[in-house]
Amino acid sequence: DAGVIQSPRHEVTEMGQEVTLRCKPISGHDYLFWYRQTMMRGLELLIYFNNNVPIDDSGMPEDRFSAKMPNASFSTLKIQPSEPRDSAVYFCASSPQLANYGYTFGSGTRLTVV
Amino acid sequence: AQSVSQHNHHVILSEAASLELGCNYSYGGTVNLFWYVQYPGQHLQLLLKYFSGDPLVKGIKGFEAEFIKSKFSFNLRKPSVQWSDTAEYFCAVPSGAGSYQLTFGKGTKLSVIP
Repeated sequence: DAGVIQSPRHEVTEMGQEVTLRCKPISGHDYLFWYRQTMMRGLELLIYFNNNVPIDDSGMPEDRFSAKMPNASFSTLKIQPSEPRDSAVYFCASSPQLANYGYTFGSGTRLTVV
Repeated sequence: AQSVSQHNHHVILSEAASLELGCNYSYGGTVNLFWYVQYPGQHLQLLLKYFSGDPLVKGIKGFEAEFIKSKFSFNLRKPSVQWSDTAEYFCAVPSGAGSYQLTFGKGTKLSVIP
């Protein structure tokens, strides 16, 4: 298995532009999580899905952020419009069942908004 | 909800020194605990996990952790560190309703000096 695949690895964009981050979870994993990592705040859970359905999006910072999972093999995290404070590394992770079994993380997308 | 705290922000050791990184979880009952490692510029990888049974858990790359219920602790140890162990280490615990998500500590950065 190729693991959790994220794209792009790096994204540099101008303030106000739309940014779309992509994730392909491990086949058969029922749960998908989006995390954001910054120096100041560490790892923050943004949203997670179970069987393609968003379960908890309370970590999404504001309406500029949205996430979708149209099928079991693909999820997107969109920021529109982007702001410099959105600069961070965004990780996607998937899990076969409950978090008790641990996650497999993707390599992350380093987003820089200038 | 469960949470974890890591008290050491940055630890600097010489090669061959012994390592112990602290992790405390917030309250008792049945608890599952994880340690993840993030090498520079890479994603988080599972180092080891505790579910139940033997409180001394062995993980990859010579790491181990001991679950001490009376102290609410799950400290990570390695008898002799190598330069390649330079990384950031995160303790994590399932949290939220139904324990569907992992909550991570702030992380401890380990620098090993050759």
